[in-house]
Amino acid sequence: SQELEQSPQSLIVQEGKNLTINCTSSKTLYGLYWYKQKYGEGLIFLMMLQKGGEEKSHEKITAKLDEKKQQSSLHITASQPSHAGIYLCGAPIHGSSNTGKLIFGQGTTLQVKP
Amino acid sequence: GAVVSQHPSRVICKSGTSVKIECRSLDFQATTMFWYRQFPKQSLMLMATSNEGSKATYEQGVEKDKFLINHASLTLSTLTVTSAHPEDSSFYICSARRGGTQPQHFGDGTRLSIL
Repeated sequence: SQELEQSPQSLIVQEGKNLTINCTSSKTLYGLYWYKQKYGEGLIFLMMLQKGGEEKSHEKITAKLDEKKQQSSLHITASQPSHAGIYLCGAPIHGSSNTGKLIFGQGTTLQVKP
Repeated sequence: GAVVSQHPSRVICKSGTSVKIECRSLDFQATTMFWYRQFPKQSLMLMATSNEGSKATYEQGVEKDKFLINHASLTLSTLTVTSAHPEDSSFYICSARRGGTQPQHFGDGTRLSIL
């Protein structure tokens, strides 16, 4: 079965520092979605990647999908307390792309110290 | 755009009660809606996929008679937890998507506590 492994599991950074979160799939990715969740709340969609080598940015967050389409990274530049939360990567389940079903990584908890 | 409303946000009720949770896509038509369950400090666990006008598809291990799903329109899906017991206490989240490769958009979740 397909698995998404996120690293690190948790991260504490000083405000203003850069950070990277990784998401590695056991199978080829047919799309990769990044979400942010605050504890006890829903998920906020951040970005979607589909093509190998694709890179997207929004404000201070950049997401990349590697050429082999098995790993994605989320990079935050000059982190702020508002970036704190749980970051999850999600991907269409292998062989089920038409259903829209996603599997998710276990999440990376980010704390930003002022 | 792409706002999903989930209601109620919190429910506390006695064992044996049935609880209905609503999920609405406010500004788009959702061909598919999904229901997830999330345990503390864990990732999302897909429970079922709901398509408008057809029966929901449940994931392995999810009791369809326990978790009734109705997708009455392209903007509304409901999850009813029937005869809820303390072990059903959890955080339930719905999502909706337009179709194709469009991303899922999530509601704010419902925290269900069964006493």
